Amino acid sequence: GAVVSQHPSRVICKSGTSVKIECRSLDFQATTMFWYRQFPKQSLMLMATSNEGSKATYEQGVEKDKFLINHASLTLSTLTVTSAHPEDSSFYICSAGNGGLGANVLTFGAGSRLTVL
Amino acid sequence: GENVEQHPSTLSVQEGDSAVIKCTYSDSASNYFPWYKQELGKRPQLIIDIRSNVGEKKDQRIAVTLNKTAKHFSLHITETQPEDSAVYFCAASIYSGSRLTFGEGTQLTVNP
Repeated sequence: GAVVSQHPSRVICKSGTSVKIECRSLDFQATTMFWYRQFPKQSLMLMATSNEGSKATYEQGVEKDKFLINHASLTLSTLTVTSAHPEDSSFYICSAGNGGLGANVLTFGAGSRLTVL
Repeated sequence: GENVEQHPSTLSVQEGDSAVIKCTYSDSASNYFPWYKQELGKRPQLIIDIRSNVGEKKDQRIAVTLNKTAKHFSLHITETQPEDSAVYFCAASIYSGSRLTFGEGTQLTVNP
């Protein structure tokens, strides 16, 4: 089945630094990937839609200059949290569709737990 | 945009009993309704989904019903087992593979 690889699984950084999270579709091409954020005991909130070869579409309230998304190939999307602050500490999860009309089911990466000190 | 509401937020049942989780959605354009199970610190795992042209779908102990007129759908788990304990999320989207809007989640605890 479709596999989405995400790393790092855990990252701890100092306040003010930037962190990059990678999301790869291993056995299929994904023109669209989605980035979600999940705070403890809360639901998954869509941050942005990553489109291969074009600019990402951000949800209302998500700062595009703070959460940089790059989708340079059909198998890789990256999320960079710039100038991270403690309030950015969260579980970040990507997802991608495995393609195929009528069978395009989203698969989630394992998630990246970011802790900003 | 789409708004998905889910209840209950917590559900505790005895092993062997049934569990029912309900969701409502707001956007009549939504046509795809998956259910995910998420264990602590892990990724959401798709357990069952239903499309708007179907009213009910069953997979062993798990079933989902959809009432498109009323804009609500439900997850039914029969013969619950302790390993069913997890957080369950409902979601809605225009079509499978498009952006998902999630419900708030239900913490299911199955007591042995």
